[in-house]
Amino acid sequence: DQQVKQNSPSLSVQEGRISILNCDYTNSMFDYFLWYKKYPAEGPTFLISISSIKDKNEDGRFTVFLNKSAKHLSLHIVPSQPGDSAVYFCAASWGTSGSRLTFGEGTQLTVNP
Amino acid sequence: GAVVSQHPSWVICKSGTSVKIECRSLDFQATTMFWYRQFPKQSLMLMATSNEGSKATYEQGVEKDKFLINHASLTLSTLTVTSAHPEDSSFYICSANDRQGANTGELFFGEGSRLTVL
Repeated sequence: DQQVKQNSPSLSVQEGRISILNCDYTNSMFDYFLWYKKYPAEGPTFLISISSIKDKNEDGRFTVFLNKSAKHLSLHIVPSQPGDSAVYFCAASWGTSGSRLTFGEGTQLTVNP
Repeated sequence: GAVVSQHPSWVICKSGTSVKIECRSLDFQATTMFWYRQFPKQSLMLMATSNEGSKATYEQGVEKDKFLINHASLTLSTLTVTSAHPEDSSFYICSANDRQGANTGELFFGEGSRLTVL
């Protein structure tokens, strides 16, 4: 039972354009969502997060949008840079589970120069 | 941010042998560490929650007698894959949160350990 899904295994965009990575979840108990970035043969690094009491959180070039009614969140990167090329994982947690995260399958983002 | 380090980064072993992977929090104390496993092109799957000074909590379907976890200090957790078989070949990643991240879910991940069982 995949509670967090990233339906696009890959995404390719041109440098300078916007990258939009999508994530859907099924468990309505989730109340905290995170995005992690992962390079090959390395552990994931935290990128940005959002609480369910918000619908948007912005940090520099990265913005996460949350649509609770649709159980959908997205990560926008603008402008995209070649160094952004990596696998992006969406993750979710709820209540006192705190750091017990449920991850999506990941989306490979490639930003072409 | 906080630093978590794993060792070894990759290991090749023969079927039937045991392999130990270490996870250290370098600049903070971690009462709880998490062990994940990632198969190629799949998501990170939580295997177990490692609690300092007590037994680990395993996720459903994870054999606790096969994946031994020891969290003897606030900065070190170890995962031992006992009697490893080829199907145990995977990327094992540990993670921890510092005090600030304890309620937010923000984890700091180690570099991961690639296990290949021949």
